[in-house]
Amino acid sequence: DTEVTQTPKHLVMGMTNKKSLKCEQHMGHRAMYWYKQKAKKPPELMFVYSYEKLSINESVPSRFSPECPNSSLLNLHLHALQPEDSALYLCASSQPATGRAEAFFGQGTRLTVV
Amino acid sequence: GQQLNQSPQSMFIQEGEDVSMNCTSSSIFNTWLWYKQDPGEGPVLLIALYKAGELTSNGRLTAQFGITRKDSFLNISASIPSDVGIYFCAGRANAGGTSYGKLTFGQGTILTVHP
Repeated sequence: DTEVTQTPKHLVMGMTNKKSLKCEQHMGHRAMYWYKQKAKKPPELMFVYSYEKLSINESVPSRFSPECPNSSLLNLHLHALQPEDSALYLCASSQPATGRAEAFFGQGTRLTVV
Repeated sequence: GQQLNQSPQSMFIQEGEDVSMNCTSSSIFNTWLWYKQDPGEGPVLLIALYKAGELTSNGRLTAQFGITRKDSFLNISASIPSDVGIYFCAGRANAGGTSYGKLTFGQGTILTVHP
């Protein structure tokens, strides 16, 4: 099972709303990632959790708040977003202990900020 | 920071033709990955390469890890309409072990296949 599941698939939110994106994997991977992707551009790394600890924050604005409740789950809490934050948000996971770099991506959440 | 130069940016080909795309870097990578992304979906891993000179196939896809560790190419043979999508290369510079493996992505190659 090489599946990373993201919910919701689509989300429309106002600039004053608070919402959360969810990601789940059952591959036993201990590294999980949030990426942001604009149309026809490569994914941009936002956050990395390694063994449930935040290990990388790529200078992401505080209106994005990640959370890793356990080794299978990753959340991204959204608050006071701007229209330019509209994008495809991708979750990914990998297994750091094996030394292998393969990251497996979810289907993404298409976020529109109005 | 590290950058990957992926080319070509786009390709328009006829069904049945072979396709070749590549990525180059000014710095060394220890891992090369190739992904395909369909519209509205997440990237799907096609091939992973871990050794310099390694040549790996996955069906009609073949990828190679350059000897210098600074480049990789992906070939698709006998293209079909479902090959349409964006292909991304990705590299990892640091070694394995307990590292989480931060990936650097190329800018992508948009492939269009005409029936």
